[in-house]
Amino acid sequence: DQQVKQNSPSLSVQEGRISILNCDYTNSMFDYFLWYKKYPAEGPTFLISISSIKDKNEDGRFTVFLNKSAKHLSLHIVPSQPGDSAVYFCAASAQAGANNLFFGTGTRLTVIP
Amino acid sequence: NAGVMQNPRHLVRRRGQEARLRCSPMKGHSHVYWYRQLPEEGLKFMVYLQKENIIDESGMPKERFSAEFPKEGPSILRIQQVVRGDSAAYFCASSPGQGSQPQHFGDGTRLSIL
Repeated sequence: DQQVKQNSPSLSVQEGRISILNCDYTNSMFDYFLWYKKYPAEGPTFLISISSIKDKNEDGRFTVFLNKSAKHLSLHIVPSQPGDSAVYFCAASAQAGANNLFFGTGTRLTVIP
Repeated sequence: NAGVMQNPRHLVRRRGQEARLRCSPMKGHSHVYWYRQLPEEGLKFMVYLQKENIIDESGMPKERFSAEFPKEGPSILRIQQVVRGDSAAYFCASSPGQGSQPQHFGDGTRLSIL
């Protein structure tokens, strides 16, 4: 039962262009969402998050958009850089007493110089 | 290095042996989470612990797996009588409080079963 889904296993983007990574969820109790970036042989590194009371959060080149009615969120990276090449995981939690994160299966982003 | 420390980074065991994975949380964090990642999959929650307490073990297999976080020392994830299907990357995360986000992850232990 995959409650967080990332339907694109991979994405290739030219350096300088926008990268858009998508994530869908099924559990309406989720109210906090995070994006993690992962390099090979390393642990996930927190990137950006958003609470369900917002529909957008921005941090430098990274912006996360949340559409609660569609149960969909997306991560925009602009401009994309070769160092952004990694696997990106979407994660969700229900803050009301829950502590564990539910992860998607990841999207491998390749930024082509 | 004040980050989450996991050791060993790689662990090889034969079927039937025991595997012990260790995790020291970030300085100031008293909440530890264990996740497992199978090849080509996302991370799956296993267990959440505070010092000397298991708070949520809903993701732990019912047999052979156990976890502890003693008053002193690192958190330990123990897998007894390992089988080939236990081969995976095991990640530990920590946070300063219950439900506090984000969780900060270690670099994982890659367990291989021969």
